[in-house]
Amino acid sequence: GENVEQHPSTLSVQEGDSAVIKCTYSDSASNYFPWYKQELGKRPQLIIDIRSNVGEKKDQRIAVTLNKTAKHFSLHITETQPEDSAVYFCAATESGGGGADGLTFGKGTHLIIQP
Amino acid sequence: DTEVTQTPKHLVMGMTNKKSLKCEQHMGHRAMYWYKQKAKKPPELMFVYSYEKLSINESVPSRFSPECPNSSLLNLHLHALQPEDSALYLCASSQAPGWIYEQYFGPGTRLTVT
Repeated sequence: GENVEQHPSTLSVQEGDSAVIKCTYSDSASNYFPWYKQELGKRPQLIIDIRSNVGEKKDQRIAVTLNKTAKHFSLHITETQPEDSAVYFCAATESGGGGADGLTFGKGTHLIIQP
Repeated sequence: DTEVTQTPKHLVMGMTNKKSLKCEQHMGHRAMYWYKQKAKKPPELMFVYSYEKLSINESVPSRFSPECPNSSLLNLHLHALQPEDSALYLCASSQAPGWIYEQYFGPGTRLTVT
């Protein structure tokens, strides 16, 4: 099955600086890579995703890059704000094969934005 | 309606009780999922329903019994649980099996087994 590694486990950055979270996956058949943000006591919320036919995707201050050869994808947050403080999870799945597939999550990164 | 709803929000049950968790979505999604999330851990997949049929069971103990009565509803029946089953149980849905569609999560049911 799929295995997703995520680093770092904790990331503290100054407000206004950039934050980068990195994930690697093991199954070369995986083709969908979402990122979720989870605030304390709340549900995971999808913030951005990327499919394997794309190398980069950007949505305002958030961007995701994918390197299929290296089986590596990253989340980039620029101009961080206090409301960006949360736990971020990367995930991977193989989808489009005729059935629904669950997500395999990384262990999470606790992002702390220092004022 | 773009939400997945779950009831109850909190549940405390004894090891001999039988209870059920409920999940509902009215987005026309045909894939639904149960995940279990322990504190400070990522969600772990338990079950996947595809067009109301169970398609994935991630070796979950039989004390957890899922049910999908129709395309909008997903239940998780609980019986003879152990204290280590205490966790946040998350339901999710996506538009259609077999395609790369986003999974949207409900708020979860926080379960405590005493």
